[in-house]
Amino acid sequence: QKEVEQNSGPLSVPEGAIASLNCTYSDRGSQSFFWYRQYSGKSPELIMFIYSNGDKEDGRFTAQLNKASQYVSLLIRDSQPSDSATYLCAVSGYSTLTFGKGTMLLVSP
Amino acid sequence: SQTIHQWPATLVQPVGSPLSLECTVEGTSNPNLYWYRQAAGRGLQLLFYSVGIGQISSEVPQNLSASRPQDRQFILSSKKLLLSDSGFYLCAGQGSGNSPLHFGNGTRLTVT
Repeated sequence: QKEVEQNSGPLSVPEGAIASLNCTYSDRGSQSFFWYRQYSGKSPELIMFIYSNGDKEDGRFTAQLNKASQYVSLLIRDSQPSDSATYLCAVSGYSTLTFGKGTMLLVSP
Repeated sequence: SQTIHQWPATLVQPVGSPLSLECTVEGTSNPNLYWYRQAAGRGLQLLFYSVGIGQISSEVPQNLSASRPQDRQFILSSKKLLLSDSGFYLCAGQGSGNSPLHFGNGTRLTVT
């Protein structure tokens, strides 16, 4: 069974700090990796995707993928209180996406 | 870009009543479509997915069913709701096997 593991948190960081969110996955055949942000009571929204080993940057967000270690992470620079949400990692191989249970991030002013 | 329409936003139904939630997709043809449920404070539970008209895969045996009568329409149904069916129901679409899922705004169902 394909598994995606995330620390449930909450991860608490002060405003302006770097938040680091981590995710491990079990299926070595996984090819696509996604990060979603979900505010309380809202649906998940896609914020980053990465397909190749290395780093991918988009504004304040950086996704990092290490397929050998089966590890994907999301860095949020200059964290803002509006970044407070649950972050879901999702992994896809040849079939459906598998979601982790999410990490709650709390950014304090 | 792909847009997922889902309604209603909230729904309160008595135990034993039927359910029909509809989801439609704009902006892509032959999408993969998904129904998820999220209990309060919990992760996403995949209920059904469909790769084409009339093709439904069920991930969790329960009293829910799904149908895909048209390419961009996905319906979640129940003949008799249970209290345990309460939750946040999300429809999602995917352009191809490795592309991201895009979610609708969800339906919050409370079974009383």
